[in-house]
Amino acid sequence: QQPVQSPQAVILREGEDAVINCSSSKALYSVHWYRQKHGEAPVFLMILLKGGEQKGHEKISASFNEKKQQSSLYLTASQLSYSGTYFCGTVGGTSGSARQLTFGSGTQLTVLP
Amino acid sequence: DTGVSQDPRHKITKRGQNVTFRCDPISEHNRLYWYRQTLGQGPEFLTYFQNEAQLEKSRLLSDRFSAERPKGSFSTLEIQRTEQGDSAMYLCASSLGLGELFFGEGSRLTVL
Repeated sequence: QQPVQSPQAVILREGEDAVINCSSSKALYSVHWYRQKHGEAPVFLMILLKGGEQKGHEKISASFNEKKQQSSLYLTASQLSYSGTYFCGTVGGTSGSARQLTFGSGTQLTVLP
Repeated sequence: DTGVSQDPRHKITKRGQNVTFRCDPISEHNRLYWYRQTLGQGPEFLTYFQNEAQLEKSRLLSDRFSAERPKGSFSTLEIQRTEQGDSAMYLCASSLGLGELFFGEGSRLTVL
């Protein structure tokens, strides 16, 4: 089942912060975050695993509430290069037994100078 | 080049024709995924391989779609009797275990 992302779109000025949310109706093993720029392939940002482990990049942080099946991506002091569409992807089950990564419909982020 | 490569990058075909896409994953990756993406939507899962075994298939993958990954290396996705609704970007991704997915640039299909 597809996770739900909010907001669908956000516009902000360089230096401002943004939060993108992702929620699922089923138990999650992990949450992935990817960014896709127009005409390009999605690029990995972060994985959050059940149990609290995180693997990702600098300047981007995220949280994973296992009980609520929710994740949030935090973009601080945004830069022009942050513009793009952000997708969360979820792996369901208690042990990742559902191997497929199901993506949400995306959040379009536009950073203006 | 150590990334995921897909071929062809663009394919224009007439309705009813068959098309085949190829994906070469990162060599040490054991998992390979096919996704379909239409404008303004997130990637939709089609199928997944672990080594040469096809472990999951989406309901989206009708009888006209078939995917293979012989010897656990490259993979092909074939669409038979294409329909206009098949027009989309077909993305291939590979990963090592349950880690991050590395996506290829995609193969854009246009069915006239």
